[in-house]
Amino acid sequence: GAVVSQHPSRVICKSGTSVKIECRSLDFQATTMFWYRQFPKQSLMLMATSNEGSKATYEQGVEKDKFLINHASLTLSTLTVTSAHPEDSSFYICSAGLAGGIRTGELFFGEGSRLTVL
Amino acid sequence: KNQVEQSPQSLIILEGKNCTLQCNYTVSPFSNLRWYKQDTGRGPVSLTIMTFSENTKSNGRYTATLDADTKQSSLHITASQLSDSASYICVVSGSGGSYIPTFGRGTSLIVHP
Repeated sequence: GAVVSQHPSRVICKSGTSVKIECRSLDFQATTMFWYRQFPKQSLMLMATSNEGSKATYEQGVEKDKFLINHASLTLSTLTVTSAHPEDSSFYICSAGLAGGIRTGELFFGEGSRLTVL
Repeated sequence: KNQVEQSPQSLIILEGKNCTLQCNYTVSPFSNLRWYKQDTGRGPVSLTIMTFSENTKSNGRYTATLDADTKQSSLHITASQLSDSASYICVVSGSGGSYIPTFGRGTSLIVHP
């Protein structure tokens, strides 16, 4: 199957700093990528839909100025957690689909990035 | 509002036994339903994907069923192994404007030796 790579897999930062997480589709082009947040023992919560070349669409309750999403190319989307606070500590996961895949089938997930804010 | 409900929330079984996980959804119009396996601290990995016209699909020891009329799906795991211990997530996508996937909360499966 197609591969989606996330980096970094783990990051620890101080409160008030910003952290960038990258999501790359390694062997396919993804016009749409999704960003999720997952708390322990809970399911994935969709944060935003990232569209190449346009602004991301954020889910209700997700602060777009807090979680900056940039989808500058067909293989890369980035999530920047700005002025991070301890409550932002979580597991962040991205997913991407093959052309038409978002609507018709396969979604591929990255391995996730665990953010710990001290 | 599109919803995906999974049951049970958690399940403990002995190695070698079979089990069945349930997924009920209200997503409409329906496009496809996927089952994912997520190990702790890892990203979800696809097990099966089914569209409206498919009512069963197998992937090794995993067999998924779909009843689009009752909006129900099940994931049956045969001869469970310790490595099956994970969270199993049901994801349903609609068509047209409802294409963004809706996630269930997952079933946490623990397989004991």
